[in-house]
Amino acid sequence: EADIYQTPRYLVIGTGKKITLECSQTMGHDKMYWYQQDPGMELHLIHYSYGVNSTEKGDLSSESTVSRIRTEHFPLTLESARPSHTSQYLCASQTGGFSYEQYFGPGTRLTVT
Amino acid sequence: AQRVTQPEKLLSVFKGAPVELKCNYSYSGSPELFWYVQYSRQRLQLLLRHISRESIKGFTADLNKGETSFHLKKPFAQEEDSAMYYCALRDSGGSNYKLTFGKGTLLTVNP
Repeated sequence: EADIYQTPRYLVIGTGKKITLECSQTMGHDKMYWYQQDPGMELHLIHYSYGVNSTEKGDLSSESTVSRIRTEHFPLTLESARPSHTSQYLCASQTGGFSYEQYFGPGTRLTVT
Repeated sequence: AQRVTQPEKLLSVFKGAPVELKCNYSYSGSPELFWYVQYSRQRLQLLLRHISRESIKGFTADLNKGETSFHLKKPFAQEEDSAMYYCALRDSGGSNYKLTFGKGTLLTVNP
């Protein structure tokens, strides 16, 4: 079934650790996005990609990095986690044509202690 | 720069009452507007888009370019409508596919 997957769903990790949040989609979409959702539920775009080997920073400055080596895979990495990185991270992919609908994954709730 | 404003962070109504979630935008070109919804413990998902001019789950939204608004309306709210609602705008010019989201409105429909 075509879907967008995020792992892990929940992660509690100590300060200074390197972490990678996984995002994969089987929808065949070229465009993928990472959002940070703060406790007030506001969404902030932190990274996006329009295709393989193409990544851009979003509207909110983030210390994370992303890669897009395969169309279906868009992982997000934090080299050294800090408590300020505690948040919900949402991955999304987007259709083309005239729809422009974004499909969201279930999210990863990250807590850095 | 484009901006989406949802003036109400919280909105509470009773079941059966009309509901209107406000959305205003600032954009100089020809925008595309969307409403996304996030129910409790569910994924964020598209509710409706202005170009479709459709009614989804009883909700409608009309793009008013004069007032730069895209308010979401439903004549009779149901308890299952309780959710977080986001208004979003896409720059229809060029090759920009990003969405700009408002801060969201948490709708609570009381029995």
